[in-house]
Amino acid sequence: NAGVTQTPKFRILKIGQSMTLQCTQDMNHNYMYWYRQDPGMGLKLIYYSVGAGITDKGEVPNGYNVSRSTTEDFPLRLELAAPSQTSVYFCASRYTGTDNEQFFGPGTRLTVL
Amino acid sequence: AQKVTQAQTEISVVEKEDVTLDCVYETRDTTYYLFWYKQPPSGELVFLIRRNSFDEQNEISGRYSWNFQKSTSSFNFTITASQVVDSAVYFCALSEGTYSSASKIIFGSGTRLSIRP
Repeated sequence: NAGVTQTPKFRILKIGQSMTLQCTQDMNHNYMYWYRQDPGMGLKLIYYSVGAGITDKGEVPNGYNVSRSTTEDFPLRLELAAPSQTSVYFCASRYTGTDNEQFFGPGTRLTVL
Repeated sequence: AQKVTQAQTEISVVEKEDVTLDCVYETRDTTYYLFWYKQPPSGELVFLIRRNSFDEQNEISGRYSWNFQKSTSSFNFTITASQVVDSAVYFCALSEGTYSSASKIIFGSGTRLSIRP
């Protein structure tokens, strides 16, 4: 298994541009999550999904959108990028049957200039 | 509301010293999980341990040990005989609910540990 994969690893955006961060897991996990980590800070939950077709907001959802059309994929969309969205973005997944352990992807480092 | 506090922002010790990272949590649930993650300079998140609220036994794994005390809502992490490779940011985290719930994880702000040779 590849686990949780994220693309791209790095990206620089200009203010107002849009982009999609990709996240894929091959473990057949039903729960998936998007977090952001600002410099020197812990992780904050942006959105999560408990299964295909179901998504919900986390702690910091403004400026982002998600979709979950398949079990494997959980893309995060940034519309009208702003400097405040400069961060490292982590995707994670979890299976219902385990004791709440989340598996994290390697992260995407995004800079908005 | 759930909250995780890691009061130590940065710790620096000399190699071979023992070091304890503090974690205090708040939750109204009786069922919850506590975690420690390591984030080395390379940036990935490395899972270290998970403990559920019904298991207060301390755990030891090599040079690592964890002390879970519900009475003080603490889940402290001790590294014995620290090594330079232990240098990283360490996060304590809390997840409420049973395995059947979405179980969002709330992270503390992290403690940056530097081990000097």
